[in-house]
This record gives sequence, structure tokens and C-alpha cells, in this order.
Amino acid sequence: GQQLNQSPQSMFIQEGEDVSMNCTSSSIFNTWLWYKQDPGEGPVLLIALYKAGELTSNGRLTAQFGITRKDSFLNISASIPSDVGIYFCAGREGTGTASKLTFGTGTRLQVTL
Amino acid sequence: NAGVTQTPKFQVLKTGQSMTLQCAQDMNHEYMSWYRQDPGMGLRLIHYSVGAGITDQGEVPNGYNVSRSTTEDFPLRLLSAAPSQTSVYFCASSRQGGVWEKLFFGSGTQLSVL
Repeated sequence: GQQLNQSPQSMFIQEGEDVSMNCTSSSIFNTWLWYKQDPGEGPVLLIALYKAGELTSNGRLTAQFGITRKDSFLNISASIPSDVGIYFCAGREGTGTASKLTFGTGTRLQVTL
Repeated sequence: NAGVTQTPKFQVLKTGQSMTLQCAQDMNHEYMSWYRQDPGMGLRLIHYSVGAGITDQGEVPNGYNVSRSTTEDFPLRLLSAAPSQTSVYFCASSRQGGVWEKLFFGSGTQLSVL
């Protein structure tokens, strides 16, 4: 099955730094989603994007739906230790019950003091 | 509100053994699904259900069975465990079958098959 290419795979940053990660696909998606997974827990939805070019924020997090509909970007500003975790993108093809959700391979974020 | 509850949290099996991973949700969600998560890979859909009595295969269904006798429960059965089924398994639910962005995940079951 198709997978989304997510980069970087992992990153170490210092507290206070800004973070950028992206997700690319060979397919066009109707919806882009960004999830965060804390250690030992399931993914939790951060941001949902529905239109090409859309820019949506959730606190210090900002995500964008790429114009081509084949990519998406997530930025975290002024990182803090609790930002540690794995960030997954997911893209939805099709509509209704026939739609398919594909997850990216994840970006592991570690924040040092 | 418990949300999506998975049991057990950890499980070790021997090759050939069978077992059932339990999943229950208390949000009256129509849609429930099972994913597996492997290192370096995204979540992959195993099976899903859009309502009681209805199930369908996902991307990687081989070696797994599901049933949906009630709205609340969606157990995943491993018929004859194999080392390739070592993984972390997540159950997820949402209010409607197509509302993927509203997926709620359980905390996962870490399964090791020796």
C-alpha cells in the first residue's frame, strides 16, 4: 500500500527553537491531518486541513495544506519539552465511506533543555 | 469518559498461539478500526467496521479476524500467531464511517510473538 514520505525522520532541537516538518505523497488528498503520539499512547489529532493552500493554527502549531494537494507542512514555534513525541501526517483520498486514510512514517521529535 | 479502551497493554505469545485483543468505546461511535504500527512505517489498517454486524478488510488483514456484535466492542483475533505479527496494535473509533479526522485512538497493545 501507499505510504506518505515524512521528513525528517527524527530531530533533536533545543528548547525555544522552531521546528518544521513535512509530508509528501504521489497522490492527491482531500484532507491532511497531523497527529502527535506520546510514548505509550495512541495518536491524538492536532490539526485537520481541508482545502489546498489552507493554513491552520493550534496554539504554537501551524500546518499548511500544500497547493498541489500532494504535500503538507507542520511548524512548531518556540518548542518546549512536552513537544517531545512522534508526529504523524495522514492524508485522505476519496470521500465518504469509500475514502482511505494513509499515515506517514512519522517524525520523532526530541527537545533538549 | 473512558473513550477507547484497549486490553491488554502488553502480551507475549508463542508462535501458533491464538489470542484476542479487546477494544471497547463508550462514545457510541459507529466506526471502529484496528491498526498496526511497526518501526519506520506508518499506521496500517487491518480491519474496520462501520456499524454492528458489518466488518471489512483493510490494508493488511491476513492472519486476523474481527467481529462487531455490538456498537461498543470490536475485538481483534489472531488465529495462529506468527513472529511477523509482533507489533503495536491500536484500536480507533469515530462518530461516522467517513469522518476520519475525528478518529479517537486507544493507548495500544504491544504484542510480541516469539
